Amino acid sequence: DIQMTQSPSSLSASVGDRVTITCQANQDIKKYLNWYQQKPGKAPKLLIYAASNLETGVPSRFSGSGSGTDFTFTISSLKPEDIATYYCQQYDDLPLTFGGGTKVEI
Amino acid sequence: EVQLVESGGGLVQPGGSLKLSCAASGFALSDSAIHWVRQASGKGLEWVGRVKNKANNYATAYAASLRGRFTVSRDDSKNRAYLQLNNLKTEDTAVYFCTRLQSNSFSFDIWGQGTMVTVSS
Repeated sequence: DIQMTQSPSSLSASVGDRVTITCQANQDIKKYLNWYQQKPGKAPKLLIYAASNLETGVPSRFSGSGSGTDFTFTISSLKPEDIATYYCQQYDDLPLTFGGGTKVEI
Repeated sequence: EVQLVESGGGLVQPGGSLKLSCAASGFALSDSAIHWVRQASGKGLEWVGRVKNKANNYATAYAASLRGRFTVSRDDSKNRAYLQLNNLKTEDTAVYFCTRLQSNSFSFDIWGQGTMVTVSS
């Protein structure tokens, strides 16, 4: 199975801060990586697909980059509504696997 | 409105069974692969399995640890997908989500609200 390691597992930042989350795969997954946001008690929401493509309707302060084994997710200017847990997910191979999540707090 | 709605969760004893349902509205389920993802309380997301569409022969796949106990299926005439859970264990306690795989982007673009399965004596 492809292991996805996300870091940090949690972070605290201020409104307006730039927030960066990393996701590392234990083998080359090309750009087959998605990012999701999950708020408490809710289903995950797709933010970024194929490593760097912004899902329709998602604010442009969210972005993703990377390929191969190392990926980055960035919130350029943190807003209060961005408080959530963020997950990366690979789709290079079955079983599909998720990172452990990063809880973003203010 | 495009949405998925799960149902069928509940409290079941260890060794018992449940069948979860995932109803689609606002789009044709038949065009898409449907995946199931679960989340234990306070934990991360875990992929459970999927069923592809008719064009892909309704192919199924499962997480290795669940294969043999869980079965995914679909009934396109009812615009529904299903997850049959058998021989349930306490560690299967979780919220179960169904989600649509968007075929162009290979991402999960539509999610249900989740249904809670509690396995306890």
